[in-house]
Amino acid sequence: RKEVEQDPGPFNVPEGATVAFNCTYSNSASQSFFWYRQDCRKEPKLLMSVYSSGNEDGRFTAQLNRASQYISLLIRDSKLSDSATYLCAVNINNDYKLSFGAGTTVTVRA
Amino acid sequence: DVKVTQSSRYLVKRTGEKVFLECVQDMDHENMFWYRQDPGLGLRLIYFSYDVKMKEKGDIPEGYSVSREKKERFSLILESASTNQTSMYLCASSLWTGEVTGELFFGEGSRLTVL
Repeated sequence: RKEVEQDPGPFNVPEGATVAFNCTYSNSASQSFFWYRQDCRKEPKLLMSVYSSGNEDGRFTAQLNRASQYISLLIRDSKLSDSATYLCAVNINNDYKLSFGAGTTVTVRA
Repeated sequence: DVKVTQSSRYLVKRTGEKVFLECVQDMDHENMFWYRQDPGLGLRLIYFSYDVKMKEKGDIPEGYSVSREKKERFSLILESASTNQTSMYLCASSLWTGEVTGELFFGEGSRLTVL
């Protein structure tokens, strides 16, 4: 089983729509979770950390479900500029390194 | 702003050549990482370093070595390049926060093609 798994998509949504997707992780003891955004031919950049109680940053909401071992990202009122690949990252063993999922591609159309 | 600089954006090498990928960060981060990114496979960790001269194997270290002689510089070496090492290579750095790794800052990537 992969340490971190994501639905690759693509999710193709109209402007203004809500889109949500999940990421599952293998170790129930993992403590740190992140969502990164990667634009085409660019490096990944941190979008947001995921906290136990869930957190929002503008139109973006991240949730953690420890019982089912997944995190989620929800994007409300999608903009064309939200088109990107969203990478889930988990500190699987609570050590120095992050494990990444393969990414979920989101395309927002006009 | 944190800056992670990778020496070459695009390289084309021949099978069997030795390849050096250089990475420099300017934020005094303890941790540095080399990942490779391939379609459908995501980012896979090759090696990481948590201090000068210290290194740990990641998930796919075979065919690679690394060097960290100075805190700001982390080099990835392919001793004898092979076609299956054609990939995007991403260097990253992070601050050691005491418990778990903090945010990773990535370089722009080095796209290596091995012919």
